[in-house]
Amino acid sequence: QKEVEQNSGPLSVPEGAIASLNCTYSDRGSQSFFWYRQYSGKSPELIMFIYSNGDKEDGRFTAQLNKASQYVSLLIRDSQPSDSATYLCAVNPPTDSWGKLQFGAGTQVVVTP
Amino acid sequence: DVKVTQSSRYLVKRTGEKVFLECVQDMDHENMFWYRQDPGLGLRLIYFSYDVKMKEKGDIPEGYSVSREKKERFSLILESASTNQTSMYLCASSTRTSGRAPGELFFGEGSRLTVL
Repeated sequence: QKEVEQNSGPLSVPEGAIASLNCTYSDRGSQSFFWYRQYSGKSPELIMFIYSNGDKEDGRFTAQLNKASQYVSLLIRDSQPSDSATYLCAVNPPTDSWGKLQFGAGTQVVVTP
Repeated sequence: DVKVTQSSRYLVKRTGEKVFLECVQDMDHENMFWYRQDPGLGLRLIYFSYDVKMKEKGDIPEGYSVSREKKERFSLILESASTNQTSMYLCASSTRTSGRAPGELFFGEGSRLTVL
């Protein structure tokens, strides 16, 4: 079993709709959770991080964390064509304090006009 | 802005060759990482360094070594390249200072290595 799992997609979303991305992780003691965006041919960039159960909003992005269910999600509201990218979920294992993240394989999002 | 620069964007090497991938960051970050990215497998950590001359193995260190002689530079070495090392290699850096999320990695543009 992979430590961080995501649906590979592609997730096709009409422009203006909400994109919902899911991620599950296996290590129950994990404390820090990150969403990176990676455009085709580019390197990943951090867009959200969350530590506490519940929701965290930043502009059109909302990260949701449920540690009991070992589940973290990313919502993209009012999706734009510029949101078309691969979204990587990353988890900081409990044994690590250096930021050595475990990454999922990523979910490709395609926003259609 | 943090800048992480990888010396080569594209390399083609032959099996058995020694390969050097160089990475330089300009923000005085303590931590530097080498990941490889393969379709369907995501990013996998090869090696990590938290200080000059310090290194730790990641999840897939076999066939690789690293060098960190200066704080800003972290090199990945393939002693004898093999075809299964054909991949995208990503260097990243991060800082342990307050104000930054511990998992906030700044990535270079990547080095796509093909081993024939």
